[in-house]
Amino acid sequence: EAQVTQNPRYLITVTGKKLTVTCSQNMNHEYMSWYRQDPGLGLRQIYYSMNVEVTDKGDVPEGYKVSRKEKRNFPLILESPSPNQTSLYFCASRTGGNEQFFGPGTRLTVL
Amino acid sequence: QKEVEQNSGPLSVPEGAIASLNCTYSDRGSQSFFWYRQYSGKSPELIMSIYSNGDKEDGRFTAQLNKASQYVSLLIRDSQPSDSATYLCAVNILSAERGANSKLTFGKGITLSVRP
Repeated sequence: EAQVTQNPRYLITVTGKKLTVTCSQNMNHEYMSWYRQDPGLGLRQIYYSMNVEVTDKGDVPEGYKVSRKEKRNFPLILESPSPNQTSLYFCASRTGGNEQFFGPGTRLTVL
Repeated sequence: QKEVEQNSGPLSVPEGAIASLNCTYSDRGSQSFFWYRQYSGKSPELIMSIYSNGDKEDGRFTAQLNKASQYVSLLIRDSQPSDSATYLCAVNILSAERGANSKLTFGKGITLSVRP
């Protein structure tokens, strides 16, 4: 089944404790992105990747890191999480101008 | 001017009515247009894509694209309570930094409520 997977789905952590949210797709897509979604603000892109070893900042990259060592994986790293990073996070993948597929989401709470 | 704008909601329609959702975009070079549906707490799912001017129908859904006027709309006929969700418009916008067809920009979404 073609899909984007994310783990964990729910995470509660404390300020400053490093965490990684994993993302994997099995569709051989070139493009992968991370978004956060907050009430009233819509989907905001954090980082994106156009292919292996090619990543760039989206609209709200501060406080986040990513890597793309393999085509299928695109982890999101929060080196020192803060409460303002409490949000619903989505990983997504696509090819070129075609439709984008989203993962199921990760709900992160930073205390 | 925001790149992708959706008319402010929420939108409420009675069951069986036609719901009309609108979206405008700023970049004339945009090539691909999508409508996503998102239920509360869930991930967005694609319901329609449209690439050329005119109408595209799929069941109760019709997407309309007018590149000259830079808008794309979604009509939902015979609205059902199960259509109650947030609808996101997405446009693939040309970006000099990223190359053609590489930036997918979303509107903020409009929440539709279908009253039984």
